[in-house]
Amino acid sequence: KAGVTQTPRYLIKTRGQQVTLSCSPISGHRSVSWYQQTPGQGLQFLFEYFSETQRNKGNFPGRFSGRQFSNSRSEMNVSTLELGDSALYLCASSQGLAGSKFFGPGTRLTVL
Amino acid sequence: QQQVKQSPQSLIVQKGGISIINCAYENTAFDYFPWYQQFPGKGPALLIAIRPDVSEKKEGRFTISFNKSAKQFSLHIMDSQPGDSATYFCAASMIIGGTYKYIFGTGTRLKVLA
Repeated sequence: KAGVTQTPRYLIKTRGQQVTLSCSPISGHRSVSWYQQTPGQGLQFLFEYFSETQRNKGNFPGRFSGRQFSNSRSEMNVSTLELGDSALYLCASSQGLAGSKFFGPGTRLTVL
Repeated sequence: QQQVKQSPQSLIVQKGGISIINCAYENTAFDYFPWYQQFPGKGPALLIAIRPDVSEKKEGRFTISFNKSAKQFSLHIMDSQPGDSATYFCAASMIIGGTYKYIFGTGTRLKVLA
């Protein structure tokens, strides 16, 4: 089985712009979670989707949003980018709500 | 109460030695404890996981020891190899809102010297 894929792998944006990141889960996995990874804060949970519904949300501002499609693929959007949004954004999929999470390679976002 | 404290922050071990990374948690509602290995430029990869009904789980050179009363768990890497050099994250998870929510430790950067 192919693993979790994320596109694009690298992004450079300027402050104020918006960005959309994409995640394709492992085939058969219906749950997709998003995490922000930074050297200072480690892995911080953004949100989780299951069957196109947001099931859990972390403590991030409303500029961070996501959605999940009927084929379980998920997108994450960040609007009005700030310098502090520079991070590695990781997507993880699991078979069900209680399954082990498998991470993708991440999207490295740099905000200038 | 939802924090997971991981130590040490970094670790240097000679080839063939034992690497030990420790994690501690507070919330007894956590009931699943995975460890992830992350190489530079890659996403974290699930290494091994344990539930609190067992005190130890071994997979190859990797062992999790779990102490429920102390609310601590640790990863032991036996016969450490240079290829094990990576960042290791522990996590604790529990069901919230019908789904497992993961709380990650801050990571341990392991370097194994050849």
